Amino acid sequence: KQEVTQIPAALSVPEGENLVLNCSFTDSAIYNLQWFRQDPGKGLTSLLLIQSSQREQTSGRLNASLDKSSGRSTLYIAASQPGDSATYLCAGAPRRAGGTSYGKLTFGQGTILTVHP
Amino acid sequence: KAGVTQTPRYLIKTRGQQVTLSCSPISGHRSVSWYQQTPGQGLQFLFEYFSETQRNKGNFPGRFSGRQFSNSRSEMNVSTLELGDSALYLCASSLYSGEQFFGPGTRLTVL
Repeated sequence: KQEVTQIPAALSVPEGENLVLNCSFTDSAIYNLQWFRQDPGKGLTSLLLIQSSQREQTSGRLNASLDKSSGRSTLYIAASQPGDSATYLCAGAPRRAGGTSYGKLTFGQGTILTVHP
Repeated sequence: KAGVTQTPRYLIKTRGQQVTLSCSPISGHRSVSWYQQTPGQGLQFLFEYFSETQRNKGNFPGRFSGRQFSNSRSEMNVSTLELGDSALYLCASSLYSGEQFFGPGTRLTVL
């Protein structure tokens, strides 16, 4: 059974800092790993998807890496801004026959990020 | 392109009642997954539908059920509501179960 752990549970930083959020998973047979942000009371916004054949993805100030052998993924946020304040969730999808993943994500508990002006 | 839509956005029910939630996926997406989010348990997978077939099911009691229509819209139903069913219910759609895109959720309160 896949278990996903996120460290730290909460993080508070001043504006402008570079920061790293960590995600670890127990089953290396992960197919996709996806990072999301969630604002209070809202749905999830997809940030980055790392597919099975990839090791990292970048979007703007965000960079996510995936190391299946060690069961870890990291999300790097450069030059943090107050608007980055949210809960960040990582989630893994298992492989299914044919190479595509099931639409069944296992989520970590999230990291609550607060960026102070 | 319109995103995933969920209706209603808020619901208040009493114990013992049943409820039906609706999800319209992004146009062209054939996979719809449902999740329950609570403060204590976090996000938990309920079930996934692809081309009107349930492809995967999470560890929830039989009171939770769902279906998908030929236009890929999906509904989930919870019968005999319990206080513990109070949660944010999220649906997500994807193209062949790749990147998942979430709707805004339905906030269900059971009194």
